[in-house]
Amino acid sequence: AQKITQTQPGMFVQEKEAVTLDCTYDTSDQSYGLFWYKQPSSGEMIFLIYQGSYDEQNATEGRYSLNFQKARKSANLVISASQLGDSAMYFCAMGGQNFVFGPGTRLSVLP
Amino acid sequence: EAGVVQSPRYKIIEKKQPVAFWCNPISGHNTLYWYRQNLGQGPELLIRYENEEAVDDSQLPKDRFSAERLKGVDSTLKIQPAELGDSAVYLCASSHRLAGVGTDTQYFGPGTRLTVL
Repeated sequence: AQKITQTQPGMFVQEKEAVTLDCTYDTSDQSYGLFWYKQPSSGEMIFLIYQGSYDEQNATEGRYSLNFQKARKSANLVISASQLGDSAMYFCAMGGQNFVFGPGTRLSVLP
Repeated sequence: EAGVVQSPRYKIIEKKQPVAFWCNPISGHNTLYWYRQNLGQGPELLIRYENEEAVDDSQLPKDRFSAERLKGVDSTLKIQPAELGDSAVYLCASSHRLAGVGTDTQYFGPGTRLTVL
């Protein structure tokens, strides 16, 4: 069975600084994908970034990058130059035979 | 391009009443997902459709929950009868999943917030 672990229930970061949100996963699938979603207080689930298990380079999308370490089964999200609008819940998720979400990390950006 | 559409956005019912949620996926997306999200938790998959076929409904409480996706486009999720513990946000997502390809990016609708009194 697939499982996602996010060990940081809450994180604080100062505006304009970088922050790393941790994600580890467990799967027996050889082919899988790792995703990060953002959920603001308004409730919508916003897709941020994707990393395929066979991708050799870390994914980047604007201020978001995914630090993929396959041997460690980790897929941490790095947000550079944090903005106040980045305050939200962040979910790591994995797709393969099934699709599973982690419990989330609440990020608060301080002015 | 229109996103995933869900209705209603909010629903308040008394326990033991039936309730239904509707979802229209992004045009061209063959895979549709229903999730339940309890407060402060990550979404939990209830059912996944590939076209008209329910390919993963292992987490769907089949004694009271049912779903259908006629014609492989929009879908309805029903609860009958509702219980207090069903209060949650019900999210619909869609993706274009290619046969034999391991994974895909899901795009979510705004959700339906259900309150059972």
